[in-house]
Amino acid sequence: EDQVTQSPEALRLQEGESSSLNCSYTVSGLRGLFWYRQDPGKGPEFLFTLYSAGEEKEKERLKATLTKKESFLHITAPKPEDSATYLCAVQAGVGGSNYKLTFGKGTLLTVNP
Amino acid sequence: EPEVTQTPSHQVTQMGQEVILRCVPISNHLYFYWYRQILGQKVEFLVSFYNNEISEKSEIFDDQFSVERPDGSNFTLKIRSTKLEDSAMYFCASKERGWTDTQYFGPGTRLTVL
Repeated sequence: EDQVTQSPEALRLQEGESSSLNCSYTVSGLRGLFWYRQDPGKGPEFLFTLYSAGEEKEKERLKATLTKKESFLHITAPKPEDSATYLCAVQAGVGGSNYKLTFGKGTLLTVNP
Repeated sequence: EPEVTQTPSHQVTQMGQEVILRCVPISNHLYFYWYRQILGQKVEFLVSFYNNEISEKSEIFDDQFSVERPDGSNFTLKIRSTKLEDSAMYFCASKERGWTDTQYFGPGTRLTVL
């Protein structure tokens, strides 16, 4: 069974204080690792897809990296508007029918001004 | 920018009643999904749908659940006889192509079963 574990569960930062969120995974045949942002009462909003170890993607203050066992979401000089829950999800399996996403519980990020 | 839409945003129903949650996926997408998120818990896969049939379903998706694409634009999730434990946010998602394409999520329908 695919497993995704995110840490920490919650993170409180001061504006401008950089940090990283972790997503470790155990899957059979990783096809893609996805990062989403979720605001309270809203649907997940796509941020990044990573396909292979060593890959990196950047968007504004966010940078996602991938190894064979985990992914990191680095947040550089965060602003209060970066406050949200960040979700990690994997798409895995062999064959052509397994397209589902398996999510972690998320990291609740709070950035104080 | 195209987006997935869902209606209603909030549905309140009595236990044992049938509910239909509606989704309009992004227009050129071929793969459709339903997920749910119980308050405070992780997002869970329910069902995937492609080429007018179910591709995969989870253990949660029992005989009380069904999905349908009644026309070229809508994608629905029906719960025949709701239970208290069905109370959750239900998210529809869609993607354009196969394996590694991104799934785009709708804003969700909050289902409250009394």
